Amino acid sequence: GAGVSQSPSNKVTEKGKDVELRCDPISGHTALYWYRQSLGQGLEFLIYFQGNSAPDKSGLPSDRFSAERTGGSVSTLTIQRTQQEDSAVYLCASSYGTYNEQFFGPGTRLTVL
Amino acid sequence: SQKIEQNSEALNIQEGKTATLTCNYTNYSPAYLQWYRQDPGRGPVFLLLIRENEKEKRKERLKVTFDTTLKQSLFHITASQPADSATYLCALDPDTGRRALTFGSGTRLQVQP
Repeated sequence: GAGVSQSPSNKVTEKGKDVELRCDPISGHTALYWYRQSLGQGLEFLIYFQGNSAPDKSGLPSDRFSAERTGGSVSTLTIQRTQQEDSAVYLCASSYGTYNEQFFGPGTRLTVL
Repeated sequence: SQKIEQNSEALNIQEGKTATLTCNYTNYSPAYLQWYRQDPGRGPVFLLLIRENEKEKRKERLKVTFDTTLKQSLFHITASQPADSATYLCALDPDTGRRALTFGSGTRLQVQP
């Protein structure tokens, strides 16, 4: 079966522009996570969706970041007015339930010029 | 403060030897801990999960231990191969109400032929 997919794989944008990153989780997975990974660093939690519950947004670094998950499936992470410090790889993961192994997508490499 | 520490220096070992990677944590009481492998340009891949009431878990050439007193997990790869070269990440549930994993920054393993 298909794994987690993310698009685009690479995104180069200018400072101040808005970007949208997309994640298609594994079908049937109820939990979806967004992480950010800067060069040589570990994964930084951004936001978590579980079923129909309110998302856990506690990791979002500023109000320029938002995410939604439509129909319990596809998720979009939006970054408004991008800054150079937003440059990183954005990883999406899904899992069947909360405390199970997470399946990661290949990530979107965002570069803000 | 809460911390997850993995050796930031790369671990270089000879093929056939056992690689041992360390994950130490501070001010967490995780119910479980996971290990992931990450290759350059890819998302992490799940390897093993160990629960707080388990001392040791094995899967093929992999072994994980979990010492809640020492607040430490050790990850072993026996009979290491060059194909095992990658970055290995430990992750735990932060027991803070956030239902997403908290990751260490990873240790890069290089197995020399």
